Amino acid sequence: AQKITQTQPGMFVQEKEAVTLDCTYDTSDPSYGLFWYKQPSSGEMIFLIYQGSYDQQNATEGRYSLNFQKARKSANLVISASQLGDSAMYFCAMRGLTGNQFYFGTGTSLTVIP
Amino acid sequence: DGGITQSPKYLFRKEGQNVTLSCEQNLNHDAMYWYRQDPGQGLRLIYYSQIVNDFQKGDIAEGYSVSREKKESFPLTVTSAQKNPTAFYLCASMSSGRSPYNEQFFGPGTRLTVL
Repeated sequence: AQKITQTQPGMFVQEKEAVTLDCTYDTSDPSYGLFWYKQPSSGEMIFLIYQGSYDQQNATEGRYSLNFQKARKSANLVISASQLGDSAMYFCAMRGLTGNQFYFGTGTSLTVIP
Repeated sequence: DGGITQSPKYLFRKEGQNVTLSCEQNLNHDAMYWYRQDPGQGLRLIYYSQIVNDFQKGDIAEGYSVSREKKESFPLTVTSAQKNPTAFYLCASMSSGRSPYNEQFFGPGTRLTVL
């Protein structure tokens, strides 16, 4: 069974500071992908970053980086130099090698304080 | 511009009526998905389709129906059998393949309210 867990319902961060959003996963697939999406109040889902299970290095995309610890089954999102526009819901998701189904966590609401 | 369109953005319906939500993509993606999102919650999969004329039930398919007659279109019908249809509905697509590294692309969503 595939499962994504996000244990932080809400987080606050000061503008220009870094913040880490937690994500743990469970899967029996030997190969899988981990994804982070941002959902602003308007509702659309914006793809941020992905990590392949066999990637040797942690993924980075601008101010976003993924702290991937395979042995711990964690894929935490790090946002550096937070901006007011980063205030949104953030979802961690996973897709295994078998099938085309994605599995989403319950999300973390991030609020950036000026 | 390639992308996914959903219409309408806001939809109101009376209890007991069926309603169809539109989803169209011009990304040439094989796989398409419908999710439901309730306030403060994550995404729950309703239906997904990997190829034309084929689709599979997700975790909460009861009270919903879909069709996939064309590659670019995947409409969702919310039937009167769906007990609590008020929610935000998101359509997504993905290019298929064995790689697990393809991300899903999402439409802007339709907010359905049952009066």
